[in-house]
Amino acid sequence: DTGVSQDPRHKITKRGQNVTFRCDPISEHNRLYWYRQTLGQGPEFLTYFQNEAQLEKSRLLSDRFSAERPKGSFSTLEIQRTEQGDSAMYLCASSQRGVGTEAFFGQGTRLTVV
Amino acid sequence: QKEVEQDPGPLSVPEGAIVSLNCTYSNSAFQYFMWYRQYSRKGPELLMYTYSSGNKEDGRFTAQVDKSSKYISLFIRDSQPSDSATYLCAMSPMDSNYQLIWGAGTKLIIKP
Repeated sequence: DTGVSQDPRHKITKRGQNVTFRCDPISEHNRLYWYRQTLGQGPEFLTYFQNEAQLEKSRLLSDRFSAERPKGSFSTLEIQRTEQGDSAMYLCASSQRGVGTEAFFGQGTRLTVV
Repeated sequence: QKEVEQDPGPLSVPEGAIVSLNCTYSNSAFQYFMWYRQYSRKGPELLMYTYSSGNKEDGRFTAQVDKSSKYISLFIRDSQPSDSATYLCAMSPMDSNYQLIWGAGTKLIIKP
């Protein structure tokens, strides 16, 4: 399968713990995006990479969130000191550079903070 | 008031019906308009992509953009039970995925 892959699919953690999610984009895609989606809402942009450079970061993203994309391949999203409000689906998407490009989404990581 | 408004539904129609899904928006700077389909526990999948005003057709799907009314629509002809999903509109002032503003999605149910 050559789609966007996310791991894990589900994560249950206790409040205050740190969690890390991984995203493997489509191999020839140089753009990678992280979104967060809560029930009954559309995705909310978190951050964007072009190759290994993090070019955009939502002002809604607190300091507890950090993302990396070493070597411009896979990406990780870490949430430190999780809070119940962090419970959501975390979506990763990738796209090629250019006009009118389509972003392909992974199946998401569902985080539940208890 | 949200920048993009979308009726959450659910919208339930019989198989074979024509479905009309809509979004309204307030920002006149939006130029790029998209419709995504999202099945339960899956990521969104791009269905239609339109620049500026006009219509675009792809198989059973037609997207319409009316910038004067700040209103976009997605029509599904000959609806099938497999079309049952949540449909999200998204729009942006520029051709950039990170600037997309999303609607909350409309849940569509096609009854066999």
